[in-house]
Amino acid sequence: AQTVTQSQPEMSVQEAETVTLSCTYDTSESNYYLFWYKQPPSRQMILVIRQEAYKQQNATENRFSVNFQKAAKSFSLKISDSQLGDTAMYFCAFFFGNEKLTFGTGTRLTIIP
Amino acid sequence: DAMVIQNPRYQVTQFGKPVTLSCSQTLNHNVMYWYQQKSSQAPKLLFHYYDKDFNNEADTPDNFQSRRPNTSFCFLDIRSPGLGDAAMYLCATSARGAYGYTFGSGTRLTVV
Repeated sequence: AQTVTQSQPEMSVQEAETVTLSCTYDTSESNYYLFWYKQPPSRQMILVIRQEAYKQQNATENRFSVNFQKAAKSFSLKISDSQLGDTAMYFCAFFFGNEKLTFGTGTRLTIIP
Repeated sequence: DAMVIQNPRYQVTQFGKPVTLSCSQTLNHNVMYWYQQKSSQAPKLLFHYYDKDFNNEADTPDNFQSRRPNTSFCFLDIRSPGLGDAAMYLCATSARGAYGYTFGSGTRLTVV
């Protein structure tokens, strides 16, 4: 079974700074998918970014980018020019084949004005 | 806009009184999921439907049941809610899990 670990329960950063959230996972598979989801307080969980394991190029979505290190089984999320609206819980998640998403325990990120 | 809609947004029920939460989708996704999320924890999968095929997680309590009468709708029934069932319940859909899930806004259940 796959496991996903987020070692930073909470983080805070000043507005406009860059922050990196860590995620590691354990799998014996080679073709899989990784995700970062954002869950703002009392609001809907939304997909931030998706990475296909067979693609070496790191995914980017505007201010959000990942550092995918397949050999190290690491998948960190970098948020550049952080904004107050980035305050949320962030979940790293793993998907393979027809199995279900496996979520990490989450990182609570607070952007300080 | 295509979306996943959960009703109600907030639900208060009495200890032991059956309650039903609903989820609808306009995405025409074939897979639907119910998750339970307690405060600041990762979502925990309760069930999922692949079309009409029902899949129950091994550790989902018998107190929880689900129905999917058609592609668009899915219901979560809690037969006898206990205080420990107070949580946010999230519905999600996917066409293919590899592309990610679309989540509803959730129903926050309070048991009094």
